[in-house]
Amino acid sequence: GAGVSQSPSNKVTEKGKDVELRCDPISGHTALYWYRQSLGQGLEFLIYFQGNSAPDKSGLPSDRFSAERTGGSVSTLTIQRTQQEDSAVYLCASSLVGAEHTEAFFGQGTRLTVV
Amino acid sequence: AQSVTQLDSQVPVFEEAPVELRCNYSSSVSVYLFWYVQYPNQGLQLLLKYLSGSTLVKGINGFEAEFNKSQTSFHLRKPSVHISDTAEYFCAVRAAGGGFKTIFGAGTRLFVKA
Repeated sequence: GAGVSQSPSNKVTEKGKDVELRCDPISGHTALYWYRQSLGQGLEFLIYFQGNSAPDKSGLPSDRFSAERTGGSVSTLTIQRTQQEDSAVYLCASSLVGAEHTEAFFGQGTRLTVV
Repeated sequence: AQSVTQLDSQVPVFEEAPVELRCNYSSSVSVYLFWYVQYPNQGLQLLLKYLSGSTLVKGINGFEAEFNKSQTSFHLRKPSVHISDTAEYFCAVRAAGGGFKTIFGAGTRLFVKA
């Protein structure tokens, strides 16, 4: 596609339920990133994929959070047993790989509200 | 590890006035520096970046930033703002030469008044 696509754009879920957030990166972009943006906060790094592997998942807040990427393309971020503090905008970005490819292209995010 | 501090959470300014959004970083290694802009209800887009070379970097929409290594700063400036510049601006840092984790500041909301 022309840009990074995320779905759903909005998700309201009950506390304790599991949710899946999807990211379709720009075609050909090997690198994929997930960030979380809480109200009034900056972007918090969650995980980075290069191809299908995740060399850095240090930002995942707890073992309730997991992510996978298949076919070097689509990625899914899963949050199990959601809590109210998980409410945030979850942003996905993709980029080419290499020291010269420094720009990350962002999707519009998924706004998650846990009630 | 790197960190970024944006010194102002909100900056109100009148249209056609100059503006400076401040950013300081810390890092034990060389870094790349970025400014991203997020317009209301839109995703982030890259405004400008510093990788190496000239310390004065020009970006889109008339913005520029200056890398100051001694002061570990990367302040964003525009000589004359427009109403359409109202947005959230994020400073970001990444380790140079192979790092991939980009660390973002908390953001500065620029509000341009008529």
